[in-house]
Parts: sequence; C-alpha cells; structure tokens
Amino acid sequence: DADVTQTPRNRITKTGKRIMLECSQTKGHDRMYWYRQDPGLGLRLIYYSFDVKDINKGEISDGYSVSRQAQAKFSLSLESAIPNQTALYFCATGQRGNQPQHFGDGTRLSIL
Amino acid sequence: GQQVMQIPQYQHVQEGEDFTTYCNSSTTLSNIQWYKQRPGGHPVFLIQLVKSGEVKKQKRLTFQFGEAKKNSSLHITATQTTDVGTYFCAGRQAAGNKLTFGGGTRVLVKP
Repeated sequence: DADVTQTPRNRITKTGKRIMLECSQTKGHDRMYWYRQDPGLGLRLIYYSFDVKDINKGEISDGYSVSRQAQAKFSLSLESAIPNQTALYFCATGQRGNQPQHFGDGTRLSIL
Repeated sequence: GQQVMQIPQYQHVQEGEDFTTYCNSSTTLSNIQWYKQRPGGHPVFLIQLVKSGEVKKQKRLTFQFGEAKKNSSLHITATQTTDVGTYFCAGRQAAGNKLTFGGGTRVLVKP
C-alpha cells in the first residue's frame, strides 16, 4: 500500500548494532502496528499504538522498542540487534473498530 | 493467550482444481479477517466475517465463519496461477481489539 511507507526496504547489519526502522502513513489512521514475519509463523505483533504517545506491547516485544511522536509516524528500534531478529518486518495502519489493516511493503532485516 | 492455527501450512494445487484452507482459534472470536500475500509482497485485506455461520463469496473464493465463531475456512474453486501466494486468517478476540494472525497457508499452483 503506497500510503504506508517503510524505510529502509532492506538492511544488513552486525550483531550489537542499534537499528531503527521507520514507518510513515498518509492514510490519516489513528492506529499503527509493527509485525514480524518468519516463515511458517505468520505475522507476530511486536508493538501497537492507538494514538500519539500511546504504546502497547504485542506478543513478542522483548528486544524491541517503539516511538509514536506523531500520528503519521511509528518507528521501531532494536537497541542491540541479535541474529535471531533477522526477519521481514511490516508496519500496518488501521482505523478504530473492526476495520482492515493496511500494510507497508516491509523491511527485510538481516543481522550477521 | 489467544492462538490462531491454520492448516495446511503448504498446499500444492493443480491448476483448475479446488482446495480449502482452514483456520482455528483457541478462543471465541468477535470477527475474523482474511489476507493474501503475493510472493515478495505484503498482506492485502480480502474480507471480514462477523456473524456466526456467515458465508461470503468473492468470485471463486468462498469464506465461511463457523457457528461457534472459533473457526473459518477459505475455499478456492478452479484454482488459477493468479491464486499463488500465502493466505492468512486473523482473528479478533473482542471488537476493535488487535488481530492475531494464523501462520498462513502457502499456495503453489501447478500449471
């Protein structure tokens, strides 16, 4: 979805490095999400935010942190990257209620 | 916590044949959504089911929500190469709450 932009698209880095993944949206949605995708495990929720300054842990938040300083931006940080955080990361947005989520194109992260 | 399981994990289908993928939740759901992810792409919303026993169709795709609102299925008729991808179900335990995704069914079509 071109209205949800993730940067970078690909990143290779070393163990112990700090990494930030950015997500921005022009859909005007209140809710934003970070997911991690691993083969066979589907999409697992890392963190989510229902509004600016609202932060909620998902099912796999350990080793990650997020920041929601503006409605349109939600960033994901890995303070000290480790190899098992190698995965495809998706940002998604949504509206209140039972509305569908809209995904960005993903960031492929490799940690050596 | 809530778990959503999908079977099969992989599905090899001959072009023109039908197949079904199943989604089962450990808890009763408020609603369920289905997404499709093409190879190299991102998940794209297909449909949402809300009512017990609900059945919805999109061309060759038929979606069903179980009577107990704990399971769902996606049936594709006369599979085409354009159906290749991974299909995810995602359930909500309570209205407006976060989604829990299943592991997905990866569909490969043999021409």
